Amino acid sequence: DIQMTQSPSFLSASVGDRVTITCRASQDIRNDLGWYQQKPGKAPKRLIYAASSLESGVPSRFSGSRSGTEFTLTISSLQPEDFATYYCLQHWLYPRTFGQGTKVEIK
Amino acid sequence: QIQLVQSGGEVGKPGASVKISCKASGYTFTTYGMSWVRQAPGQGLEWMGWISGYNDKKNYAERVQDRLTLTTDTTTNTAYMELRSLRFDDTAVYYCARDRGGGYDILDYWGQGTLVTVSS
Repeated sequence: DIQMTQSPSFLSASVGDRVTITCRASQDIRNDLGWYQQKPGKAPKRLIYAASSLESGVPSRFSGSRSGTEFTLTISSLQPEDFATYYCLQHWLYPRTFGQGTKVEIK
Repeated sequence: QIQLVQSGGEVGKPGASVKISCKASGYTFTTYGMSWVRQAPGQGLEWMGWISGYNDKKNYAERVQDRLTLTTDTTTNTAYMELRSLRFDDTAVYYCARDRGGGYDILDYWGQGTLVTVSS
């Protein structure tokens, strides 16, 4: 199985901060990676697909990038509604595998 | 608009079975498959399996493959997940999510979730 190592697990930040979350795949997954945001009691919502493509309706402060097997989700200026847990997902091979999650909390 | 509407919460005893439905609307059901994902209380997301919307092709996570059955009913645009031999650690919220199987239409729309509680 492809392992997705996500870091950090927890992140404390202030409104307006630039935030970066990273997922490293255990092997090449091309661009087959998505980023998801989950708020308490809600289903996950996809923000980014194909490693760097922004889902329709998602604010442009969210962006994704790839360098080899390392993938990054960046929030350029954290807003109050962005406090949530974020997950990456690889879909290059079955089984699909998620990162462990990053909880972004208010400092 | 695309919607996935799941059935309501379930309570089951250890050793019993549970079956959850996921009714799709707003897109051509047979053009896409469906993945199932679960989330234990306070934990992360775990992918369980995928079923094609048109040819019954399936792919299961090794951890649950002996106890999991995914099916679809193309007459009602509904996907089903049955988990047998329930264990206490199967207590979780279960989600269906649209999944084309290839390309980038992968887990792009999600159901609202169904809480399954395993309790004696």
